[in-house]
Parts: sequence; structure tokens; C-alpha cells
Amino acid sequence: GESVGLHLPTLSVQEGDNSIINCAYSNSASDYFIWYKQESGKGPQFIIDIRSNMDKRQGQRVTVLLNKTVKHLSLQIAATQPGDSAVYFCAENIRNSGYALNFGKGTSLLVTP
Amino acid sequence: SQTIHQWPATLVQPVGSPLSLECTVEGTSNPNLYWYRQAAGRGLQLLFYSVGIGQISSEVPQNLSASRPQDRQFILSSKKLLLSDSGFYLCAWSAYRLELQQDTQYFGPGTRLTVL
Repeated sequence: GESVGLHLPTLSVQEGDNSIINCAYSNSASDYFIWYKQESGKGPQFIIDIRSNMDKRQGQRVTVLLNKTVKHLSLQIAATQPGDSAVYFCAENIRNSGYALNFGKGTSLLVTP
Repeated sequence: SQTIHQWPATLVQPVGSPLSLECTVEGTSNPNLYWYRQAAGRGLQLLFYSVGIGQISSEVPQNLSASRPQDRQFILSSKKLLLSDSGFYLCAWSAYRLELQQDTQYFGPGTRLTVL
């Protein structure tokens, strides 16, 4: 079964605000995490990733934070734009488990003007 | 740059008919390749992965099979489709990211399969 889950299934934010999407995991052996963005009818698009030996990683307008103590992962999107509206998935890879990624069910982000 | 293609984009098939979905990758050599299925409103489930030509690993028992006849070609097949095979099928390839010492998976556009 899935060990990666989401705190909220949907999130609505106003254009220009910052968005925070959360994800919880249960396996302490998880050592690699990825955030994907999926628009309707399309394949998931890689956003950002992080290894368990890191606490924070930044990209363009996005930041991923990892709290291993509470097994929590978050994706922060700065100055959210209408084009950010999509479903966001977190995925984990468990150390020494091979190539499989465990995906959460996703959070739907809706950006309103 | 690397690109991944899947076809067809959509497919409607009757129960009991065969299936063949194709995935090809350009711009890289000897990639790891993956087939995932995504049910409506749910996350992705890994079906198969391949680390080389002719090498297929199955993650879940099912009505489907996979083959890798060429380095950058991955095929998902079935001899007789079931209603439960309906879903969104995604192919992915992975590349090693040196800065994270980790394989990262990149997805194709997907094939929407409806079995009636």
C-alpha cells in the first residue's frame, strides 16, 4: 500500500499569493523525494527533487522542504500564477528498494484571479 | 535534449481485444524505462520497468506484459483486454542526476485507454 499521503486533496489560492502543498510519508527508509505537476490529460512534469540528507532545495519559484523528524515534505510555490493550476504529486523512493517510486494521490491546486 | 513519445494518445478497445502501446525515447542511450498506470483521480502505479534490452521486471501481477525490443523502445501489450485495464498509461525514462546521486524519472504524455 501507499506510504505517501497528502494532507489536503484540494487547495485554492489567489493569483500572486504563495502556495504550500504538503505531503506525509511513513517509511523512515525513504531517501529520495520528487514533486511532479500534472495538468489535465497530460503526463506528470518533474518540478523538483530532494534527497534525505537535505532539508531544503530551491528552484525557480519553487522550494521543497523536508522534515525527517516528522516525515513531512512540502512544496512551496512563490507568486502563484494561473498556469500553476494542476494536480501536484509527491513521490518517494525507498532506499535499496530498486527503482519504484511510491506516489501519493495528489493535491489539486486551483489559482483564482 | 531528451524527449519521450507515446502513442496512440487515446484508444478505445472492446473487451477481449489485444493491446499494444508504444513508447520511444530520444536523446539518450541505455535509459531505464518504466510503464505506469494511473486510475482516475489516483496516484501512479508502477507496472513494469526495464534496465536494458530484453530485461523486464514486473511489479504487479496482471493481464499485461511489456517488452523492450530496442534500447529506446518500450512496448506494453495484452492478449485480451479486461474492463479493469482502462486507465491512463504513462511511460517514463530515468536519468542519473549527479548532484543528487539519484535516478530521476521523466514522464511521457500518456495514453488514455478505455475498454468497453
